[in-house]
Amino acid sequence: GAGVSQSPRYKVAKRGQDVALRCDPISGHVSLFWYQQALGQGPEFLTYFQNEAQLDKSGLPSDRFFAERPEGSVSTLKIQRTQQEDSAVYLCASSIGEGGGQPQHFGDGTRLSIL
Amino acid sequence: AQSVSQHNHHVILSEAASLELGCNYSYGGTVNLFWYVQYPGQHLQLLLKYFSGDPLVKGIKGFEAEFIKSKFSFNLRKPSVQWSDTAEYFCAVTPDSNYQLIWGAGTKLIIKP
Repeated sequence: GAGVSQSPRYKVAKRGQDVALRCDPISGHVSLFWYQQALGQGPEFLTYFQNEAQLDKSGLPSDRFFAERPEGSVSTLKIQRTQQEDSAVYLCASSIGEGGGQPQHFGDGTRLSIL
Repeated sequence: AQSVSQHNHHVILSEAASLELGCNYSYGGTVNLFWYVQYPGQHLQLLLKYFSGDPLVKGIKGFEAEFIKSKFSFNLRKPSVQWSDTAEYFCAVTPDSNYQLIWGAGTKLIIKP
């Protein structure tokens, strides 16, 4: 496909369950970003990959959050022992180059609801 | 901490009205500036960007934005809006040579036909 693909589009989980969110970036894009967007807010940075290297994970809210991009393409964001405050839309974006200043291309997001 | 402020959370206009959405940021150094738009049911997409040069930037669909360094502002404008401009608009900033986008809270724009 031509764009960034995220799955699932919607995820409902009970508090305490683990979830995994998938992002398939645009082919050939070096940079990959994860964002968390709470209701009524703008996206907030979670983590950044350059190819398979996770260069910045300073935005991950706790050690329950883990992201990987083992082959420099598809990325997975995992949340362990989910809490209600994890409910949000999780956005993935990719850009063709490295570093800042590059326009980012976004997926449709995964809307996560924790009951 | 760096932040981006969008002054209006909701704006309602009639078709053909002029639009200006405010965006201010707090960062003293060189920045890259973006406006993204999210149409109903769609993903975020880039409307326009400013890196350097002419502070008046033209984007898609007749939108433009002006970077005023002295005011730390990057306001979005359109002379005559259409019903299809109904969407949420986000201003975002990244300090130069940084990759972390810092986002405003967004402005929901509703255009009455």
